[in-house]
Amino acid sequence: GENVEQHPSTLSVQEGDSAVIKCTYSDSASNYFPWYKQELGKRPQLIIDIRSNVGEKKDQRIAVTLNKTAKHFSLHITETQPEDSAVYFCAASWSYGNKLVFGAGTILRVKS
Amino acid sequence: GAGVSQSPRYKVAKRGQDVALRCDPISGHVSLFWYQQALGQGPEFLTYFQNEAQLDKSGLPSDRFFAERPEGSVSTLKIQRTQQEDSAVYLCASSRNQGGLYEQYFGPGTRLTVT
Repeated sequence: GENVEQHPSTLSVQEGDSAVIKCTYSDSASNYFPWYKQELGKRPQLIIDIRSNVGEKKDQRIAVTLNKTAKHFSLHITETQPEDSAVYFCAASWSYGNKLVFGAGTILRVKS
Repeated sequence: GAGVSQSPRYKVAKRGQDVALRCDPISGHVSLFWYQQALGQGPEFLTYFQNEAQLDKSGLPSDRFFAERPEGSVSTLKIQRTQQEDSAVYLCASSRNQGGLYEQYFGPGTRLTVT
C-alpha cells in the first residue's frame, strides 16, 4: 500500500522567513496530494492541494510543487507569520475521492 | 455553511465498555471517511462510505470496530469492549466527491480515553 514520509519533523523559522516541508510517496498511482494544517486540539484544515496533472500550485503565501518522477511534493510558505505556527500534514491518495494516507506531520514554529 | 460536526467531543470509557461516536457530514456530501489519530501522529484511515454503502473497511483494526451510515448522511462509529490502545482522537471527514470536487473536510474529532 501507499506510504508517505514527511520531513522535517520539526521546523523553526524566524518571522518573515520561508518554510519548506517535503514529502515522498511510494505508490506511483497516487494522483492527489493535499496539505492540512492542524492547530493544537483543532481539526485538520485543508490549506492547499495539487493533482498529478499539475506541477505547481500557488495560493497567496502558500505554494505546493509536485515531482511525479521522483515521487515527492513540497509545501512552501513565504513571509511566515506567528499564526502559521501549527502542525502540517501532507497526504496522498491513489484515486480522486479515495482515502488519504498521511505523513507523520511537521511541527512548524514561527518565532517573532 | 455548517461544517462537519462530531459528538461527543470527549469520551472517557472504562476498559471493556462499548462506545458510539457520531459524525454529521456537510449536507450533500456523498463520501464519508473515519480516521484515527494517535497523539503526535498523522490521521490513519479506518473506513469509507459512499452514500450508505461501506466501500472500504480495510483500516478497521479489529472486529470490535464497526461503522454504519444507514441513510447516507449521519454515520456512527462503534467500538465494542474498548481497550487502552483504542485511546485516540477519532476524526470524521466528508467530501462532495462529485463534479471534480474531492476535497475532504474534517470534523473536530472525538477524543476517546480508555481507562
